[in-house]
Formats: sequence, C-alpha cells, structure tokens
Amino acid sequence: NAGVTQTPKFQVLKTGQSMTLQCAQDMNHEYMSWYRQDPGMGLRLIHYSVGAGITDQGEVPNGYNVSRSTTEDFPLRLLSAAPSQTSVYFCASSYGGHWTNEQFFGPGTRLTVL
Amino acid sequence: GIQVEQSPPDLILQEGANSTLRCNFSDSVNNLQWFHQNPWGQLINLFYIPSGTKQNGRLSATTVATERYSLLYISSSQTTDSGVYFCAVELTGANSKLTFGKGITLSVRP
Repeated sequence: NAGVTQTPKFQVLKTGQSMTLQCAQDMNHEYMSWYRQDPGMGLRLIHYSVGAGITDQGEVPNGYNVSRSTTEDFPLRLLSAAPSQTSVYFCASSYGGHWTNEQFFGPGTRLTVL
Repeated sequence: GIQVEQSPPDLILQEGANSTLRCNFSDSVNNLQWFHQNPWGQLINLFYIPSGTKQNGRLSATTVATERYSLLYISSSQTTDSGVYFCAVELTGANSKLTFGKGITLSVRP
C-alpha cells in the first residue's frame, strides 16, 4: 500500500492564482481531512470528509474548497491564492467509527504564495 | 475553545537519556493522539490513547483523562527520536475536531 499520497511536494504561486492540491489514499478509509501547518504552530483543520459526497468545514476553511467524489481522492482547491495561505498542507485519512480516529498523514505539500 | 498546552517547548537530550513530554488540556476529551514529526516533515501517529497506558518499544504514553493530562515517555533516546512531538485532542461532544498543541521540539545528540 502507498498509504496517503500528496502532489505536488512543492508549489510556488502568485497572488490571485488558483490551484488544486491532490490527495489520495489506498487504504479504503472512509474519513479524510486537510490541515495546514504554520511555523511554531500545530496543525489546524481546513476541511474534512466522512465519506464520498460528504464534506464539512474545519477551523480555517476560508479561501479553500473541497469535494469528495470517490473514497480514494480528496482534492483541496485554492480559489484565489493569498500570501496568508503560504503554509505546509497535510492530508490525512482515518478509519473506524469516527473521523477523528487514528490519523494517517501524507508527506505534505509546501506552498509559497508570492 | 479547548486549550492544549505542551511542555517543555524544547528539549535537548544526550543519546541514551530518558525523557517525559507533557500535554495538558482544558476540557473533557473523547480522544487524544500523540504524533511525531521527523526532521523531514513526515507525521507519524505514535499513540491513540484517550485513557490508560500504552507501550510501543521504547515509547509509552499515559493519559489521565480525569486530571486532563497525558504524558509521553521516551526511554533510551536515539538520534532518530529527534523532531517535534504533537498531542492532539478531541473535545467531548458533537461536531468535534482534533485540536493540536504547538508541539515539543526534541533534539537528541549523539
């Protein structure tokens, strides 16, 4: 199993550009989520999904969109990038009865917005 | 919202030493997890431990939910233990989410 994969590993955008961060998992996990990590801070939840077709907002959802058309994929879209979105983005998946069960993380995407 | 405080913020150890990392939280929780982020940024789940004690090799964790704290013990530390250790908690109740502490940076020197 590849586990949780994320692409790209690194990305530089200009203010106002849009892009999609890809996340996929091959563990048949129901639950997936996106976090951002900023220097000196823990992770903050952006959006999460409890199954295909079902998504919900986390702590810092503004400026981001998600969709979940399949169990395997959970892309994160930046609609109009801003310098405040410079961060490292992690995708996670989990199984079991609740979406906050044991989290398996992808390797992260380091995004810089100029 | 729930407060999650980790201490100490930074820790330097000589290889072979033991250490205790602490996580305090301000409300009742359903769920507590410890993670290790290695120097390359990869996050690994160490323990899912809402209560009680678990051990995995040189690492063990104890959560005392009634007193609102969790401890992560590292014995006979190795340089590969270096990195940042996070605890994350889920508040009891509906529509909950994982709230992460700011992490403890551990450096193990050879």
